[in-house]
Amino acid sequence: DSGVTQTPKHLITATGQRVTLRCSPRSGDLSVYWYQQSLDQGLQFLIQYYNGEERAKGNILERFSAQQFPDLHSELNLSSLELGDSALYFCASSVDPSGNTIYFGEGSWLTVV
Amino acid sequence: AQSVTQLGSHVSVSEGALVLLRCNYSSSVPPYLFWYVQYPNQGLQLLLKYTSAATLVKGINGFEAEFKKSETSFHLTKPSAHMSDAAEYFCAVFNFGNEKLTFGTGTRLTIIP
Repeated sequence: DSGVTQTPKHLITATGQRVTLRCSPRSGDLSVYWYQQSLDQGLQFLIQYYNGEERAKGNILERFSAQQFPDLHSELNLSSLELGDSALYFCASSVDPSGNTIYFGEGSWLTVV
Repeated sequence: AQSVTQLGSHVSVSEGALVLLRCNYSSSVPPYLFWYVQYPNQGLQLLLKYTSAATLVKGINGFEAEFKKSETSFHLTKPSAHMSDAAEYFCAVFNFGNEKLTFGTGTRLTIIP
């Protein structure tokens, strides 16, 4: 158990819909990362927050957004969902913003039908 | 920018045999290198990391990896495979440019009874 908690574990939704994935980092970690893992793209970095502020953006679509709240939990919002958005979405956390050692949650499986 | 290449998307070994998973890196600066393991339906778990200290790094579950600058390699080994080692293994390099981990495409390890 990494200490990073993600909900929901599984989610099935229709195209065009909007979903929110939630992440609680490890106790004491200030930095949260979101990754997408799909069969064709592998593991892709989406976005990072540190202490409530966006720190870095990766391959995140404009239809996706995220935020980190004062209690340090984070949410990833995915809208206008397409079939290709079906993937495993991971949250990870680290104590500092450098990101050289991060700890992953178990992921949220999103299936878009 | 730093990158890693994992040779072999699938590796099968017999139980009790040597496990060797290959990873080569590309980096213009001394790299930080990592191996993560993903068990079925779980998140990524840090196995071990190299951050320019000892070149032979020991990790969890009996795994180790050796940093070889001359070969730009960071191969993961375990002397004797166990059925519980069946998983997907990811090599990663810390990208000092954007301070993010860049993952390889993964190697799925199958253990033959």
